[in-house]
Amino acid sequence: SAVISQKPSRDICQRGTSLTIQCQVDSQVTMMFWYRQQPGQSLTLIATANQGSEATYESGFVIDKFPISRPNLTFSTLTVSNMSPEDSSIYLCSVTTGGSNQPQHFGDGTRLSIL
Amino acid sequence: AQKVTQAQTEISVVEKEDVTLDCVYETRDTTYYLFWYKQPPSGELVFLIRRNSFDEQNEISGRYSWNFQKSTSSFNFTITASQVVDSAVYFCALSGPRAAGNKLTFGGGTRVLVKP
Repeated sequence: SAVISQKPSRDICQRGTSLTIQCQVDSQVTMMFWYRQQPGQSLTLIATANQGSEATYESGFVIDKFPISRPNLTFSTLTVSNMSPEDSSIYLCSVTTGGSNQPQHFGDGTRLSIL
Repeated sequence: AQKVTQAQTEISVVEKEDVTLDCVYETRDTTYYLFWYKQPPSGELVFLIRRNSFDEQNEISGRYSWNFQKSTSSFNFTITASQVVDSAVYFCALSGPRAAGNKLTFGGGTRVLVKP
C-alpha cells in the first residue's frame, strides 16, 4: 500500500493562530480525505480533497475554517484557521487508490493542542 | 444515511482469552463495503479487513476471524488467544458505492485492553 507522510506529527499552538498540515504520498492516488478525531472519540470526515478543484466539505465543516488544497495526485494540505481549544484533535489524512471497495490507508496523524 | 454502531465502548480481558467485537450497521445501499481498523496507543490507524456486501463468506486469518451476517446487519470481529499487543481501539467502518464518494462512516470504536 501507499506510504503516507504527514507533517507535523504534533504541534502546540496559540489561540487565534493557523496551522497547515501536509500529507505526502509516495505514489499517485485516486482520492484523498481529511478526518478529525477529537480526544477519545471516533473519526469524523472533514472533507474530500479534490485534485485541481475545491474540496468537498461535510456538514458542519466550512472552507473558511478548514481550507484544503490538492495541487496534484500525491499531495494535499489542510489548514486549521483561527484555532480555539475546541480544535484540539488528531487530524488524519487518508488515501485510496481505487473505488469504494478499496480500503482507505491513513497517515500517522497530526496531534494538535491549542492553548 | 449510513450509521455504524459499536455498542461496546471498552472490553478488558486477560491474555489468551478470546474477545469478540460487535458491529451493527445501517445503510440504504444495496452494495456497500465494511472494514475493520485498529488504532494502537501510538495513534496510527491500521487497516485489518474489508468485506463486500455480496460476499458473506466468513474468514479466519491467523488469530483474527470475522463474522458477516447480512440478515442482522452485523460484522463482528474476534481475536482468538488475545495478546498484550492486541490492546488498541478497534473501529468498524462502512462505505457505500463509488457514486457516494468513497466516504467512510466510522463506528464509535471499542477499546480493547489485554492484561498480562
